[in-house]
Amino acid sequence: EVQLVESGGGLVKPGGSLRLSCAASGFTFSTYSMNWVRQAPGKGLEWVSSIIGSSIYTYYADSVKGRFTISRDNAENSLYLQMNSLRAEDTAVYYCARAKGVSGFDIWGQGTMVTVSS
Amino acid sequence: EIVLTQSPGTLSLSPGERATLSCRASQSVGSGYLAWYQQKPGQAPRLLIYGISSRATGIPDRFSGRGSGTDFTLTISRLEPEDFAVYYCQQYGSSPRRFGQGTKVEIK
Repeated sequence: EVQLVESGGGLVKPGGSLRLSCAASGFTFSTYSMNWVRQAPGKGLEWVSSIIGSSIYTYYADSVKGRFTISRDNAENSLYLQMNSLRAEDTAVYYCARAKGVSGFDIWGQGTMVTVSS
Repeated sequence: EIVLTQSPGTLSLSPGERATLSCRASQSVGSGYLAWYQQKPGQAPRLLIYGISSRATGIPDRFSGRGSGTDFTLTISRLEPEDFAVYYCQQYGSSPRRFGQGTKVEIK
């Protein structure tokens, strides 16, 4: 079964750091681009970051550039999001999603909640 | 950067009716990389349509997408009870891979 499972969310103080993980299974992980998308409580979807299969190229939303770092370990079938200098406005459910070419973000994880609060 | 604007914000319809959702891009979406997602409360988004008009695996044929350039439409031909949800369009041909703000389809 094709599956993505996020972990690592939790409560963190403003200015703190958190590392999210996304474990992939059921498909050839290295051949897919991977993405992080977040959703603040009661709000819409916000694309956060993307990384291609080889990790050569990474992309970030302006709202997280310089604070978040996306990475992946193809040997471990895992995707990561290192989040530093967290702000209250980073509070959201964070989803990982896979993508390949024109096929869109076709598989999503169940999400992990990040709360930034003092 | 491409900005997507969805309309209407909310669509109030009855089961069996036709739903037409609009997504307008601030500039042409490259290579037709335009997708639609459905999201229900407490659930992750689900891909419905990719490449403007291709249905994702398992998506019933009452869902259809069309459009080109900057104007795109998702149509649900006859609303089933399980179709009442929020729908998002997304362009993924260039970075940032933004989503529209969403259209809520609610029961009238």
